[in-house]
Amino acid sequence: DAGVTQSPTHLIKTRGQQVTLRCSPISGHKSVSWYQQVLGQGPQFIFQYYEKEERGRGNFPDRFSARQFPNYSSELNVNALLLGDSALYLCASSLDIYQPQHFGDGTRLSIL
Amino acid sequence: GNSVTQMEGPVTLSEEAFLTINCTYTATGYPSLFWYVQYPGEGLQLLLKATKADDKGSNKGFEATYRKETTSFHLEKGSVQVSDSAVYFCALSDNFGNEKLTFGTGTRLTIIP
Repeated sequence: DAGVTQSPTHLIKTRGQQVTLRCSPISGHKSVSWYQQVLGQGPQFIFQYYEKEERGRGNFPDRFSARQFPNYSSELNVNALLLGDSALYLCASSLDIYQPQHFGDGTRLSIL
Repeated sequence: GNSVTQMEGPVTLSEEAFLTINCTYTATGYPSLFWYVQYPGEGLQLLLKATKADDKGSNKGFEATYRKETTSFHLEKGSVQVSDSAVYFCALSDNFGNEKLTFGTGTRLTIIP
């Protein structure tokens, strides 16, 4: 079975632009979470969605938003990009909110 | 709020050496505890987990025991291999569920043949 897939793999943007990152969960998984991993640090929780409803939000500004679609795939949007948004963005899926999360390989976002 | 403190790295060991990576946590309620591993250029892979006090998680020769009295979840392996070289993350989740993982800063492990 395919794992969690994220697209694109790499992305380069400039300050002030907007970006959309995409995630397809493992088949049958209904929960999707997003994390930001700055170089040399552990991942930081951004959002969790379950059955298309937001279940949690981390300490990130309103420039960050997300949604989950009827097929359980998800998008993470970031507006007004800052240099500090440069990071690896990881998506994770799980069967439900009680099962372990499985991570994709991430989207590396670079802001120039 | 919840937090995880991991042993500072990097850690360099010879093949077949004994490994310990320390992890302590601060949390309210009854968190689940996890170790994830990240190989270069990849996402995180779940290595092992424990959901309640005194549980021992194990996988691929790695072990960790959920110690509520010392709020610790140290990772151990009796004989490391070159293929174990990676970054290891300790993490906890809120209460019984697996929501909102809180990660440590990671420990880079390098095994020398």
